[in-house]
Amino acid sequence: GEDVEQSLFLSVREGDSSVINCTYTDSSSTYLYWYKQEPGAGLQLLTYIFSNMDMKQDQRLTVLLNKKDKHLSLRIADTQTGDSAIYFCASSEQHTGNQFYFGTGTSLTVIP
Amino acid sequence: DTAVSQTPKYLVTQMGNDKSIKCEQNLGHDTMYWYKQDSKKFLKIMFSYNNKELIINETVPNRFSPKSPDKAHLNLHINSLELGDSAVYFCASSQSLGASDYNEQFFGPGTRLTVL
Repeated sequence: GEDVEQSLFLSVREGDSSVINCTYTDSSSTYLYWYKQEPGAGLQLLTYIFSNMDMKQDQRLTVLLNKKDKHLSLRIADTQTGDSAIYFCASSEQHTGNQFYFGTGTSLTVIP
Repeated sequence: DTAVSQTPKYLVTQMGNDKSIKCEQNLGHDTMYWYKQDSKKFLKIMFSYNNKELIINETVPNRFSPKSPDKAHLNLHINSLELGDSAVYFCASSQSLGASDYNEQFFGPGTRLTVL
């Protein structure tokens, strides 16, 4: 199966940008996702990117995909205290799309 | 209104007991999942069902048995509970996929299981 790795913790000051990184091993990953988990809640899809794209922007979120290095990042501009959460990177493959591989999660703490 | 619901939200029980966690989705999805999230927040898939049929069964002790009475429900039954089963269990659902569809999973709120 796929290995999806993330750094475990990130702290930023309110108003700064946050960059959360993710690496994966399976080059046949078709879609890559970022999910957000707030304390005491389930995961919610934030954004996703198709593997033939290298960038996707959605308001304060920018996703960058380097397919050659199998590296995905999520940049949050003007980070707010409400962005404090755990962020999970995930991948799915076209032919086994029901199989999801989640990363280890990055706990983002925003300091006021 | 809730898309994916789980009951109970909290479950505290003694070692050796048998317990069930229920999951229902009202999204009309064909695929449902169970995940286990440990104390370090690592998320591991346990099972996946598509149209009531088991399609993914990761390395999970056979004390865990999923049951899908219909495609809107996927319950998790756990026999002979052990201390190491303490975790948060998440149910999720998604639509069946075409060849080029992205797969958004919708998660329930989680069930926090504590085994004493």
